[in-house]
Amino acid sequence: QKEVEQDPGPLSVPEGAIVSLNCTYSNSAFQYFMWYRQYSRKGPELLMYTYSSGNKEDGRFTAQVDKSSKYISLFIRDSQPSDSATYLCAMTGTASKLTFGTGTRLQVTL
Amino acid sequence: SAVISQKPSRDICQRGTSLTIQCQVDSQVTMMFWYRQQPGQSLTLIATANQGSEATYESGFVIDKFPISRPNLTFSTLTVSNMSPEDSSIYLCSVEGDRAYEQYFGPGTRLTVT
Repeated sequence: QKEVEQDPGPLSVPEGAIVSLNCTYSNSAFQYFMWYRQYSRKGPELLMYTYSSGNKEDGRFTAQVDKSSKYISLFIRDSQPSDSATYLCAMTGTASKLTFGTGTRLQVTL
Repeated sequence: SAVISQKPSRDICQRGTSLTIQCQVDSQVTMMFWYRQQPGQSLTLIATANQGSEATYESGFVIDKFPISRPNLTFSTLTVSNMSPEDSSIYLCSVEGDRAYEQYFGPGTRLTVT
């Protein structure tokens, strides 16, 4: 079993839709939870991070962490074609080593 | 955030040869990381490179296959040695940000081994 599971998609939604991206994990030591966005032929860029359980909002993006269920989510409101990318969840305990999901490819259509 | 460049951006190599990938950062950083990204798989950490010390390799990766240099605080190289088609992948370097969970990635090197 992988430490982090993420549905690879692809996920196709119309412009303006609410997108829900999710990851599950098995390691209880994970404390920091990140979402990276990766455009085609580019490196991943940090989108959001959350420490421990709870919600965090940044513009159209909301990150949620439920440590009791070992489940994290990223919601994108009013999705735009420019949101089309691969979204990678990542997590770590107290060290610098990040454990990534496989990434979910998102396509927002006009 | 740091600006990271990698060279080459892509290459096609014959099996049995070696390729050295360069990673340049626009600021001094302590920790640099090398990852491999294969289709349908997670970003996988190859090794962590600190300036002035030997690189630390993750399980499944060895120095003879992936030698790393870290001559100063802004530069690192990763060599993929004695390549086989299974080494075809995207190789990315990253650096640690101000907080341990922050990493900034280069654009990647797309390697195809024939």
